[in-house]
Amino acid sequence: AQKVTQAQTEISVVEKEDVTLDCVYETRDTTYYLFWYKQPPSGELVFLIRRNSFDEQNEISGRYSWNFQKSTSSFNFTITASQVVDSAVYFCALSLGSSNTGKLIFGQGTTLQVKP
Amino acid sequence: DVKVTQSSRYLVKRTGEKVFLECVQDMDHENMFWYRQDPGLGLRLIYFSYDVKMKEKGDIPEGYSVSREKKERFSLILESASTNQTSMYLCASSFLTGLTEAFFGQGTRLTVV
Repeated sequence: AQKVTQAQTEISVVEKEDVTLDCVYETRDTTYYLFWYKQPPSGELVFLIRRNSFDEQNEISGRYSWNFQKSTSSFNFTITASQVVDSAVYFCALSLGSSNTGKLIFGQGTTLQVKP
Repeated sequence: DVKVTQSSRYLVKRTGEKVFLECVQDMDHENMFWYRQDPGLGLRLIYFSYDVKMKEKGDIPEGYSVSREKKERFSLILESASTNQTSMYLCASSFLTGLTEAFFGQGTRLTVV
């Protein structure tokens, strides 16, 4: 069975703190894709990153970084020096290469609150 | 800019009403999806479509149907709305291969009273 688990329901930090959002996935497929989306209060999900199962290289984009570890089936997301504008719900998602339909399996989401 | 537009941000409907949620995308995407978002459950797939007039059930299709008469438009239909269908509904689209990211609309918050 395919599953994505975001164990942290809510996280609250003070501005400028670093914060890591955890994501653990389950699949037997060897080809799959992992995603992170941000949902600000406006409601629209905003794409942040996509990773395929053959590329374990970590990625950094400004204050955002992602750590993909197949050995632990994790795809964690770190925000460095958090800002109030980072307050949002963050979703980790999985898409299977075998299905080739683009269907996303989402985690429960983590609500991040960054206080000034 | 990719645009996925949902016809309403907020809707209030009565139990038993037939409800239509409309979604339009302007990127010529083959795939279109309807998800439902509930607190603590994340997003769950209701239906998706990979071509005009083609549809497949997702994880929670009960009580819903869909229509895709044109490539750019994907409608979600609640045949007889019930209070347990009160939720946030999100439409998304992507290219057929599924190898690229999906683009989402702004969501429709539906309340059934």
